[in-house]
Amino acid sequence: SAVISQKPSRDICQRGTSLTIQCQVDSQVTMMFWYRQQPGQSLTLIATANQGSEATYESGFVIDKFPISRPNLTFSTLTVSNMSPEDSSIYLCSVEGGTGEQETQYFGPGTRLLVL
Amino acid sequence: QKEVEQDPGPLSVPEGAIVSLNCTYSNSAFQYFMWYRQYSRKGPELLMYTYSSGNKEDGRFTAQVDKSSKYISLFIRDSQPSDSATYLCAMRVGGSEKLVFGKGTKLTVNP
Repeated sequence: SAVISQKPSRDICQRGTSLTIQCQVDSQVTMMFWYRQQPGQSLTLIATANQGSEATYESGFVIDKFPISRPNLTFSTLTVSNMSPEDSSIYLCSVEGGTGEQETQYFGPGTRLLVL
Repeated sequence: QKEVEQDPGPLSVPEGAIVSLNCTYSNSAFQYFMWYRQYSRKGPELLMYTYSSGNKEDGRFTAQVDKSSKYISLFIRDSQPSDSATYLCAMRVGGSEKLVFGKGTKLTVNP
């Protein structure tokens, strides 16, 4: 499986500011995914990012709030814009791995965000 | 009704116990079923992967899928303190990359 790193690992931010989270993979991947993991809640998909195209957002998530870049096959960023305390969460990126029926997703270590 | 239901626990067992973790789901189109393990302050790591119904065994871990009941299980035999983690079930429809997760069950194995 791919090795995935995220920066920053954690941050404390003031409401109204924005934070950009980076995700780096050690191999080229077509699809990258961004998730949010709130306390007591399921891991929830924010958007799917393919290189060279606009990200596809899930219901309840919008580009203005969570702009995503995917400049190449090994890197992506997620920005959490105009933050409020409700955005306090763990943000995870993942990539597809395996082939055929064994295709699934592998996750980075996550970015722990606290908004005050 | 949520697509995937998982009892969040917490579940506390003594070392050596057999642990049973379960999820139910409502979407009969789910074909691929996964269990992820997430240690505190870490990202989820893939533990077991099962396609359609049946059992899959890997060391002390056994995954079961019963599509007729829309029920999946993960059994851990001879549980160890190192198994203490949150276990997430996940599933997807064939042809889709989207994973749908349960809330996770927090397991503590006491020495």
